[in-house]
Amino acid sequence: EAQVTQNPRYLITVTGKKLTVTCSQNMNHEYMSWYRQDPGLGLRQIYYSMNVEVTDKGDVPEGYKVSRKEKRNFPLILESPSPNQTSLYFCASSRWRRGSGGDQETQYFGPGTRLLVL
Amino acid sequence: DAKTTQPNSMESNEEEPVHLPCNHSTISGTDYIHWYRQLPSQGPEYVIHGLTSNVNNRMASLAIAEDRKSSTLILHRATLRDAAVYYCILSLTDKLIFGTGTRLQVFP
Repeated sequence: EAQVTQNPRYLITVTGKKLTVTCSQNMNHEYMSWYRQDPGLGLRQIYYSMNVEVTDKGDVPEGYKVSRKEKRNFPLILESPSPNQTSLYFCASSRWRRGSGGDQETQYFGPGTRLLVL
Repeated sequence: DAKTTQPNSMESNEEEPVHLPCNHSTISGTDYIHWYRQLPSQGPEYVIHGLTSNVNNRMASLAIAEDRKSSTLILHRATLRDAAVYYCILSLTDKLIFGTGTRLQVFP
């Protein structure tokens, strides 16, 4: 079954304790992305990657790191989490065609990771 | 990126058609109009997208005004499973920018 998986689904941690949220897709997609969702603010993009070893900042990258060493995996790293990073996080993937502009491929989203930083 | 305006919430009865409006008066000529929806406790899922012509797929229809300043997502027969937040998104680049969407309630 084609899917995007995220782990863990729920996480409670304390300020400053490094954590990693994993994201994996089995659709051989080039494009992967991380979003956070907060009440009243909708989904905001954190980082995205157009292919292996190619990553770029989204709208709210501060406090986050990513890596793309393999095509299927795109982990989100919080080196020193703070309470303002308490949020619902979604990973997404899609095919990517150079020059497609706004006619982009469908993005497939994972089930979400709910993070609470105390 | 151009902005979209959607009502915060709408209601419908099961089996009835639903028309979800979206205004995008500052749309540029090459912005695509995308619709995603988010069911409770799930990630967003793609519904439909288009540029100028009306579009149909198995989930919904997208009606785009002739001047492209507005569009309407049409669910032909609402079911309880269609209760979700619906996002209208304009995209010029590879990026999707989500607003706060319209929360659709469907009553039996």
